[in-house]
Amino acid sequence: QKEVEQNSGPLSVPEGAIASLNCTYSDRVSQSFFWYRQYSGKSPELIMSIYSNGDKEDGRFTAQLNKASQYVSLLIRDSQPSDSATYLCAALPVTGAGSYQLTFGKGTKLSVIP
Amino acid sequence: DAGVIQSPRHEVTEMGQEVTLRCKPISGHDYLFWYRQTMMRGLELLIYFNNNVPIDDSGMPEDRFSAKMPNASFSTLKIQPSEPRDSAVYFCASSLGYDGGNRNEQYFGPGTRLTVT
Repeated sequence: QKEVEQNSGPLSVPEGAIASLNCTYSDRVSQSFFWYRQYSGKSPELIMSIYSNGDKEDGRFTAQLNKASQYVSLLIRDSQPSDSATYLCAALPVTGAGSYQLTFGKGTKLSVIP
Repeated sequence: DAGVIQSPRHEVTEMGQEVTLRCKPISGHDYLFWYRQTMMRGLELLIYFNNNVPIDDSGMPEDRFSAKMPNASFSTLKIQPSEPRDSAVYFCASSLGYDGGNRNEQYFGPGTRLTVT
């Protein structure tokens, strides 16, 4: 059973702080990882993807991947109230290792306090 | 470029009625996915298509659910007959491919909120 685990939160951080969101996955053939942001009542919006060990930065967002530990994280620097949302972590198996099925975590709810 | 388009955005129907949800993927995307999201179960893949062909429908909950993709720009998800437990938000997503890198990225439509009374 492929699983992606996230702390459901809520995670509360003050405005301007760094928010750290974590995710672990059980399937070792997972090779691609994605972070989606979902505002209440809206659809998931892709904000970061990462495929190799290490860090990937995009503006205020940094995704980190450690395949040996089966761990993915998302850091949000200078958090803003507009970052308040649920963040979904998703894992995809390598091509040929199975169905093209994203396995989603249940999401972490982030609240940025002004 | 327009994103994934879904209709209707909201659907309220009575138990036993047929429901049809519609999706137009991003132009040029070869893969189309249907998901269902509920508070209890989170986001679940129902079925996906590659070049209009259904590839994996193992997530379809039962025979009351069916999906078609008659051409590259249109797909439907049908529930017949509908039941109250089908109430959820149904999302359609699309991607360029499944061969590595950014082509794997899936983009979601706005969703259809279905309520079955």
